[in-house]
Amino acid sequence: KAGVTQTPRYLIKTRGQQVTLSCSPISGHRSVSWYQQTPGQGLQFLFEYFSETQRNKGNFPGRFSGRQFSNSRSEMNVSTLELGDSALYLCASSLGTAANYGYTFGSGTRLTVV
Amino acid sequence: TQLLEQSPQFLSIQEGENLTVYCNSSSVFSSLQWYRQEPGEGPVLLVTVVTGGEVKKLKRLTFQFGDARKDSSLHITAAQPGDTGLYLCAGAGNTGKLIFGQGTTLQVKP
Repeated sequence: KAGVTQTPRYLIKTRGQQVTLSCSPISGHRSVSWYQQTPGQGLQFLFEYFSETQRNKGNFPGRFSGRQFSNSRSEMNVSTLELGDSALYLCASSLGTAANYGYTFGSGTRLTVV
Repeated sequence: TQLLEQSPQFLSIQEGENLTVYCNSSSVFSSLQWYRQEPGEGPVLLVTVVTGGEVKKLKRLTFQFGDARKDSSLHITAAQPGDTGLYLCAGAGNTGKLIFGQGTTLQVKP
């Protein structure tokens, strides 16, 4: 079966711009989570969606937002980009709670802000 | 705040050597997972341990969950170059989120 698909794989944006990243989970997975990965901070939790509702949120500023559609696909948006937003953004889907079922991660979107 | 600390941060060994990676916390976790991430890819789930004292084996990899469910270890026997990657532990926190350690970068040289 198809894995978690993230688009685009690479993105270069200028400070102040906004960006939207997309994630298609594994068919049947209703939970989608987003993580930011940087060399210094490791994997930082952004948010989790389940059946179109945000179930958990990490400690990121309001410039980071997300949503989930009825087909479980998810998008995350970052407005007013800063240099420090450069990172690998990972989407992960789960059959239920990640603690019980674990995550299946996508390959990520590498965002570079210049 | 629940934190997971992994050690060592970096490990470079020769093919055939054994190694152990540690994942420690002062908090109790209901379960703990180990992932491996290769460059340019997302992490891949290796194992989930849920019971204190539990030991799971995956070929040459042995995972152990501490009796108090505050720590875990990953032991690799006779490491191979294909084991190279970033190893991450992740604990199920009391807020329902998975909390990741900083990771251990393993390089196995042929």
